[in-house]
Amino acid sequence: AQKITQTQPGMFVQEKEAVTLDCTYDTSDPSYGLFWYKQPSSGEMIFLIYQGSYDQQNATEGRYSLNFQKARKSANLVISASQLGDSAMYFCAMREGVGGTSYGKLTFGQGTILTVHP
Amino acid sequence: EAEVAQSPRYKITEKSQAVAFWCDPISGHATLYWYRQILGQGPELLVQFQDESVVDDSQLPKDRFSAERLKGVDSTLKIQPAELGDSAMYLCASSSFGQGREQYFGPGTRLTVT
Repeated sequence: AQKITQTQPGMFVQEKEAVTLDCTYDTSDPSYGLFWYKQPSSGEMIFLIYQGSYDQQNATEGRYSLNFQKARKSANLVISASQLGDSAMYFCAMREGVGGTSYGKLTFGQGTILTVHP
Repeated sequence: EAEVAQSPRYKITEKSQAVAFWCDPISGHATLYWYRQILGQGPELLVQFQDESVVDDSQLPKDRFSAERLKGVDSTLKIQPAELGDSAMYLCASSSFGQGREQYFGPGTRLTVT
């Protein structure tokens, strides 16, 4: 069974609009972390935002926010005020058994290609 | 700002040849990861080091792949012999054990096997 599912192969958004990228996850571990990374065409993975399973509030980092719905096992990324430079591949990832450490591997979804139109 | 360094950035090799990739993590980061990313997919872990010890190599094709981190600092990933299916991006990441949440990724090595 896939642990991370991103059901949107591609998304389009108009510049300055908001966009939501979907991510659902599957784990039986009560302690886990959820991540979003951006990968431009150049290939590097850029960390965007993190949500811990015990965090009470949704994470926010500038224009990025994570809509964390624990009961639904979803961790959608919301990008507000899209910019042309946001065009890239976006990956949702999970680390199980976090326990406050950074020990475990990341399991990635298949990614969503975001295209921002002027 | 500290970064994860990788070299080479691009490598073209013929099948059955040997190829090696190098990674220098952020100074002080005890945990080092090698991921393989096939075009159009998410990265998958090949091997994880804690200092110089391998803690997870369950997805590493050990008949042809090897990885080492002799002094617990930089690391080398080797493929011998390379096969056409090894064409992919090889990403190195590091993190600081016990603190921090994200893994910091290097720029990757894009391998093409012909």
